[in-house]
Amino acid sequence: GESVGLHLPTLSVQEGDNSIINCAYSNSASDYFIWYKQESGKGPQFIIDIRSNMDKRQGQRVTVLLNKTVKHLSLQIAATQPGDSAVYFCAERGGGSQGNLIFGKGTKLSVKP
Amino acid sequence: GAVVSQHPSWVICKSGTSVKIECRSLDFQATTMFWYRQFPKQSLMLMATSNEGSKATYEQGVEKDKFLINHASLTLSTLTVTSAHPEDSSFYICSASGTGRNIQYFGAGTRLSVL
Repeated sequence: GESVGLHLPTLSVQEGDNSIINCAYSNSASDYFIWYKQESGKGPQFIIDIRSNMDKRQGQRVTVLLNKTVKHLSLQIAATQPGDSAVYFCAERGGGSQGNLIFGKGTKLSVKP
Repeated sequence: GAVVSQHPSWVICKSGTSVKIECRSLDFQATTMFWYRQFPKQSLMLMATSNEGSKATYEQGVEKDKFLINHASLTLSTLTVTSAHPEDSSFYICSASGTGRNIQYFGAGTRLSVL
């Protein structure tokens, strides 16, 4: 379980720069991955997803890269804006029939104007 | 994207009372709904999974008699925190997914404060 008082990793970037948020997942059998953005006091918002049979997927200003060899997932945000400031969670879908997601610890992105 | 509505967004209650939180899928049929709990600066912890018309599946360590979940229709699930105590104070978030969909769409969350 989570440690009490766990400090979220923080990434601080300048407005206009590119951001890369990394995530290590645990289950080599996971077949689906998803990135969520959570602003303070709100629920998570879907950003982008990727299946395990792909290694890259692009959306609007965002790219997700999947490296199954080292069980690593990354989210790249191009031309980061102040509105991108939030906590970003990766999630993996492991086994089970109900599609349960296992969430990572999260990374706080701070964008400096 | 799909819209999930969660109500109330914030509730304060006295210790010993029960609180009901509603989660509705507004524009799709939610065959599966999920309930999470989140502590400050921490990740989401899955409490239970519910399918319409059947009993919820609770995660290990989550008391089913304490956190009652009802998924009565394809658009509504409720979480009732019974006999709430201060240690139940937290941010509770629901999500929903439809048939054949991988993505879980989240509600805005409910902040529960038990005095």
